[in-house]
Amino acid sequence: SAVISQKPSRDICQRGTSLTIQCQVDSQVTMMFWYRQQPGQSLTLIATANQGSEATYESGFVIDKFPISRPNLTFSTLTVSNMSPEDSSIYLCSVVAGEGFFGPGTRLTVL
Amino acid sequence: AQKITQTQPGMFVQEKEAVTLDCTYDTSDPSYGLFWYKQPSSGEMIFLIYQGSYDQQNATEGRYSLNFQKARKSANLVISASQLGDSAMYFCAMRDSLIQGAQKLVFGQGTRLTINP
Repeated sequence: SAVISQKPSRDICQRGTSLTIQCQVDSQVTMMFWYRQQPGQSLTLIATANQGSEATYESGFVIDKFPISRPNLTFSTLTVSNMSPEDSSIYLCSVVAGEGFFGPGTRLTVL
Repeated sequence: AQKITQTQPGMFVQEKEAVTLDCTYDTSDPSYGLFWYKQPSSGEMIFLIYQGSYDQQNATEGRYSLNFQKARKSANLVISASQLGDSAMYFCAMRDSLIQGAQKLVFGQGTRLTINP
């Protein structure tokens, strides 16, 4: 089983600023996934991060708003740019290594 | 396109009773995987159980079992002898490939389970 850590675990940010979320996995994985969970909602995939290539974004999500880095097979970052209160969500990274493991999530509040 | 439906927004169950959480899915791919996750108020996603589309037997993990009815495209989660700590949101999810790491997960809307003492 994969162990995934995320930083920060939570943050409160001002409108217009950006936040970078880090995701670290204890083993090498081909794909890492970033999900968003808005309050009271289910999880929605933002993008798939592949090492050595650009991330693949889902409909409704763009690179300018959610730039992603994947410098190696164990690490990825998601940046939430120019934040607004609508970006207040839990952001989770995941690796589908057999059983679909998730990091503990980053709870973001934008004021 | 894949779709996951959870028709029970909320359920209330007495402690120690068994509970069944419903999940139906739709896919045209013969190879897929079905997952159940528990999300307590802390927000973390806890993996509970997995069923592959070609698995012959229903998956079981401790008090959790998956009632997989392929022809009906349903994958209900059964929790036996419920405990107060089972109170949480439960999500059903599907991956449309059996290749590990190959595909994303699509989630249902979730069911909020409350266990009453």
